Parts: sequence; C-alpha cells; structure tokens
Amino acid sequence: DSGVTQTPKHLITATGQRVTLRCSPRSGDLSVYWYQQSLDQGLQFLIQYYNGEERAKGNILERFSAQQFPDLHSELNLSSLELGDSALYFCASSVWTADTQYFGPGTRLTVL
Amino acid sequence: QKEVEQDPGPLSVPEGAIVSLNCTYSNSAFQYFMWYRQYSRKGPELLMYTYSSGNKEDGRFTAQVDKSSKYISLFIRDSQPSDSATYLCAMSARLTGGGNKLTFGTGTQLKVEL
Repeated sequence: DSGVTQTPKHLITATGQRVTLRCSPRSGDLSVYWYQQSLDQGLQFLIQYYNGEERAKGNILERFSAQQFPDLHSELNLSSLELGDSALYFCASSVWTADTQYFGPGTRLTVL
Repeated sequence: QKEVEQDPGPLSVPEGAIVSLNCTYSNSAFQYFMWYRQYSRKGPELLMYTYSSGNKEDGRFTAQVDKSSKYISLFIRDSQPSDSATYLCAMSARLTGGGNKLTFGTGTQLKVEL
C-alpha cells in the first residue's frame, strides 16, 4: 500500500458525460500528479500540482482539468467524455517536486 | 521516435533464472531513473530509484544506469513466480517552472514459470 488513495475504483458512464476523480496523497506529500494509462498509449503524464499550484502540464486535453485543494487532495475533472477516454487514471504523489513518485491504485473509467 | 524505448516482451523464464530488463532513451536531460512493477490493472509500485551512472542493489534487484550510452537495466536474481508482472522503466527531468514529470517506457511483461 503506497498510502495514496483514489476514488472511485471503477466508473462507468456514457459519452458526453462529465466525471470527477479524486486523489488523496500520502501524508506529508505536497505534489500530486495525474497519469492516464491506456492499452495503446501506455502511461502518459497529464498534469502536476505542487502545494495547490499547477507546476507542469503534459498531454492533457482541454476537456480535462484538475485542481489541488488546501488540504492537498486533488480532483481530475473529465468532461464531454468520448469512447477513447476509457482508461486507467492514476494519481501519484511526492514530497517535493523532484522526488520519487508513489502511485495510487487507480480509477478505471469506462465510457460507453 | 519515442523518448524512452522498452522491449514489450512478453518474457518467459523458469523460476530461479536471472532476468535482464532494459530501456534506452534519447533525452539527455533525464536525470533520475526508476523502475516500477505493475501487477495487472494495479498501481505501479516503485522498485528502484537512481540518479547516477553505475549500479544500485536492493535485495534480488540491481539497477544499472549508463548515461553515456543512454541505457538502463534492471536485473532480477533468483526470479520467483511472484515476480510475474509488467516492469516499467521511468525517467524524469526537471522542467522549467520547477515542475517534474515521469516519462515511461511501454513496459515489459515478465512471466516466471515453476
């Protein structure tokens, strides 16, 4: 158990809908990262927050957004969902911005 | 060309064998090198972390980095059926603005057979 928690574990929704994924980092970690894992693309970095501020952006679609709250938990919002958004979404956390990252168990999103 | 290349396997070995997993990379800015283990549909689990060329050993695992050749390896000694998983190499470089991201290989699927 890495200490990173993610909810929900599974999410099934329809195209065009909007969902919110939640992540709580390990105790003491200030950085939160979001990754998407699909069969054809592997693990892809989406976005990083450090102590509430956006620090790095990867291949994140405009339909996706994230934020980190004062209690350091983070939410990833996915809107106007498409079939291709079906994937595993992982959250990771680290103490500082250049530290090793510890991953949560992931949220499996299925878009029908 | 991908920044990180990793042979996807699958790799099948008998129990007790020495396993060698490898990645090559093209981005000279990568400073930190990691190996993660991922069981089916679970979160990646950090196995090894290193930031310099050379070897680092932890139990049955040895990580090797050769920055001059842009090549990293993970060796697993006395492999066990419980080592059956997908192994992902990952690399990071500090970004402008102080951010950080991991760039992953595609993963090598390993099966250790009795």
